[in-house]
Amino acid sequence: DTGVSQNPRHKITKRGQNVTFRCDPISEHNRLYWYRQTLGQGPEFLTYFQNEAQLEKSRLLSDRFSAERPKGSFSTLEIQRTEQGDSAMYLCASSGGSRDSYEQYFGPGTRLTVT
Amino acid sequence: GNSVTQMEGPVTLSEEAFLTINCTYTATGYPSLFWYVQYPGEGLQLLLKATKADDKGSNKGFEATYRKETTSFHLEKGSVQVSDSAVYFCALSSISGGYNKLIFGAGTRLAVHP
Repeated sequence: DTGVSQNPRHKITKRGQNVTFRCDPISEHNRLYWYRQTLGQGPEFLTYFQNEAQLEKSRLLSDRFSAERPKGSFSTLEIQRTEQGDSAMYLCASSGGSRDSYEQYFGPGTRLTVT
Repeated sequence: GNSVTQMEGPVTLSEEAFLTINCTYTATGYPSLFWYVQYPGEGLQLLLKATKADDKGSNKGFEATYRKETTSFHLEKGSVQVSDSAVYFCALSSISGGYNKLIFGAGTRLAVHP
């Protein structure tokens, strides 16, 4: 298994544009998490999926943000009408499987810069 | 609500020096505690964990003990190497509804020079 992957690794966009990020979790993991990390801070929880169901959304996730996990496999995070305050690293993590079902494995992140 | 506070960085040490990074937490119930490490250009990696009071987590020469009486989980290493230079995050989680959401501290940057 190659671990959690995220694409793209970097995204530069102009304010007002829409962006979409993709996360591919470890294949046998049924839980998937999105976090946001701003410069000099620790990651903050955004949302959680169990299989295809989105079970929790942080208040950080405004109505410009939407996340999906069709068929319980990969997930996408879309930001509409981006703002400069959206500039951050977006991290995906997954957990589940048989070994340690609650340990979260993180991807390398997508760094978003809004100009 | 739950929160994690860790010492501000950067921490700059010479190779083979002793390392302590302080972490304290506020939580209801009985959370699990973690240290994650982020090397430059890489994702977060779990360094060690402890799931109950008085447990000691250890890995790669690092260790931390879950102290419920002082609500602390300080990270220590007896002799740091240049390759330990990274950002270290203390985190907690509690399992609720069948999943665990991680709450992180702000991170402490460690720089080790030869």
